[in-house]
Amino acid sequence: AQSVTQPDIHITVSEGASLELRCNYSYGATPYLFWYVQSPGQGLQLLLKYFSGDTLVQGIKGFEAEFKRSQSSFNLRKPSVHWSDAAEYFCAVAPYNNNDMRFGAGTRLTVKP
Amino acid sequence: DTAVSQTPKYLVTQMGNDKSIKCEQNLGHDTMYWYKQDSKKFLKIMFSYNNKELIINETVPNRFSPKSPDKAHLNLHINSLELGDSAVYFCASRAGNYNEQFFGPGTRLTVL
Repeated sequence: AQSVTQPDIHITVSEGASLELRCNYSYGATPYLFWYVQSPGQGLQLLLKYFSGDTLVQGIKGFEAEFKRSQSSFNLRKPSVHWSDAAEYFCAVAPYNNNDMRFGAGTRLTVKP
Repeated sequence: DTAVSQTPKYLVTQMGNDKSIKCEQNLGHDTMYWYKQDSKKFLKIMFSYNNKELIINETVPNRFSPKSPDKAHLNLHINSLELGDSAVYFCASRAGNYNEQFFGPGTRLTVL
């Protein structure tokens, strides 16, 4: 069965520092991969997605993620975090027909001034 | 112009009541979904509808019933509400097989 693991429940970084949020998946084939962000009291907004091709994908708000097949990972990165990036981040996977999307448990990001 | 909208945003009700949450998307998408987000922020898919046909039904109690009057709407009706139904419910929609899901703002349901 497909699954998504986000090992870090909560991460705190200083404003201006770099960020990496980890995501590992378990699936029989390469699934479609997504990162969503949820600000407090808000819905989910897509940051970026990977379907095929270049394994380094660029997203909105300066985020990028790298798909590593050998490690079954899709980690999210940002070179310099802004206070407005404080939110909950969800990694998600979906099979080739893109139904039945499964989410990780989320990583809460706190940004220190 | 909200792409995926939900009403109401907040819903407080007593145990045993029946309630509905409405969802509308103006994106022309073919597939719509309902998710439940629990108090620990865990998101679980409940239902999806494609062209008015239910294509996913996870292990959700039959007190929950999705209703889709047309391609742009997927409403969630809940009978005999229980304390454990308290959560945030998100509607989402998607176009085709190669696109992301767009989420609504959520409905926070509190059962007293």
